[in-house]
Amino acid sequence: DIQMTQSPSTLSASVGDRVTFTCRASQSIGSFLAWYQQKPGKAPNLLIYKASSLESGVPSRFSGSGSGTEFTLTISSLQPDDFATYYCQHYNTYSQTFGQGTKLEIK
Amino acid sequence: QVQLVQSGAEVKKPGASVRVSCEASGYTFTSYYMHWVRQAPGQGLEWMGVINPSGGSTSYAQKFQGRVTMTSDTSTSTVYMEVSSLRSDDTAVYFCAKDGSGIPGMDAFDIWGQGTMVTVSS
Repeated sequence: DIQMTQSPSTLSASVGDRVTFTCRASQSIGSFLAWYQQKPGKAPNLLIYKASSLESGVPSRFSGSGSGTEFTLTISSLQPDDFATYYCQHYNTYSQTFGQGTKLEIK
Repeated sequence: QVQLVQSGAEVKKPGASVRVSCEASGYTFTSYYMHWVRQAPGQGLEWMGVINPSGGSTSYAQKFQGRVTMTSDTSTSTVYMEVSSLRSDDTAVYFCAKDGSGIPGMDAFDIWGQGTMVTVSS
């Protein structure tokens, strides 16, 4: 099975900072990679699909890149509403695998 | 608008079964697969399986095969997920999530239900 590893586990940053999250796959997954944001007590919210496509309605400060085994999610200028946990997900026909998540905290 | 509305919280004893429902609206129910994902307290997301609402074919994560059953009712645009032989480590929030494509595995999960808390305790 393909494993998804996110780093770091926790990230501390301030409003206005540029932050980058990393997600690595144990083998090549092409561009079948999504990013979600989850706030406490809420369902995950899709931000990025196909590694770099921005979901409709998601602010343009979010961007995704990468292919194969290494992927990144970047927030260009942190806003107060962005402090949450972020998950990557590899999706394919037979199984879906999530990373363990990165919690973004206020510095 | 497109939305998924799940049934309410459940408290069950070990060994019992639980069935969670997920009612879809705002789109063609039979055109998109539906996934189930769970999240134990303080933990990450775990994919459980997927159902094709049109026809009812399913695919389960190996961990849940034999203990999870997913079904659909096209007359009410509702999918169901039943977990049997509940254990304490099944305590989690269970989410339904709509596949963004008509072909599973080709897109991410674009709409999620609000989640259903299932507590397993004696």
